[in-house]
Amino acid sequence: GNSVTQMEGPVTLSEEAFLTINCTYTATGYPSLFWYVQYPGEGLQLLLKATKADDKGSNKGFEATYRKETTSFHLEKGSVQVSDSAVYFCALSEYSGGYQKVTFGTGTKLQVIP
Amino acid sequence: DTGVSQDPRHKITKRGQNVTFRCDPISEHNRLYWYRQTLGQGPEFLTYFQNEAQLEKSRLLSDRFSAERPKGSFSTLEIQRTEQGDSAMYLCASSRGLAGGPSDTQYFGPGTRLTVL
Repeated sequence: GNSVTQMEGPVTLSEEAFLTINCTYTATGYPSLFWYVQYPGEGLQLLLKATKADDKGSNKGFEATYRKETTSFHLEKGSVQVSDSAVYFCALSEYSGGYQKVTFGTGTKLQVIP
Repeated sequence: DTGVSQDPRHKITKRGQNVTFRCDPISEHNRLYWYRQTLGQGPEFLTYFQNEAQLEKSRLLSDRFSAERPKGSFSTLEIQRTEQGDSAMYLCASSRGLAGGPSDTQYFGPGTRLTVL
């Protein structure tokens, strides 16, 4: 079956530091890949997505590149801010059995300190 | 888009009681999903509606759980005879249902946090 593995958190960084959150996946087909962000007490918000190999998703300074050869979709940001503190979820999506099946990782908590 | 809304945001109940949650999806979205999220985990799929038809149910959805989407708009999730293990965040998501299938974006509501005492 499909699975998503994320680096364990929490990740603690100083403001303006470089961020990488690793994500690798296992899929039976050719999935789309997503990063969602969850702020405390809220639901998940789409951060970025990529739908085919070598696609780069980007939003709000965050980037991730769909690497089919390494089955990875690592999230990066050049300079984090305190407001980026949240839990980040990597997810893959396949169309299976007539519906969009999304598999999430366990999440990586990011804490940015001033 | 006004976004996906869920009600209530928090629910505390005693073991054995029934609870019902409501989800209002984005108005033009015909696909609706329910997920359950426990502490420190990602969301896990529960069930899926396309318009008013419930087309898929996870093995996580025991007989005590029932979901409806009567007119293809809002949806309800009911849990009967709640157990402490039902304590979790229940998330609703909706999507437009693009021809691209897996690239469709699911938009999530804020969730209902259930605590069973």
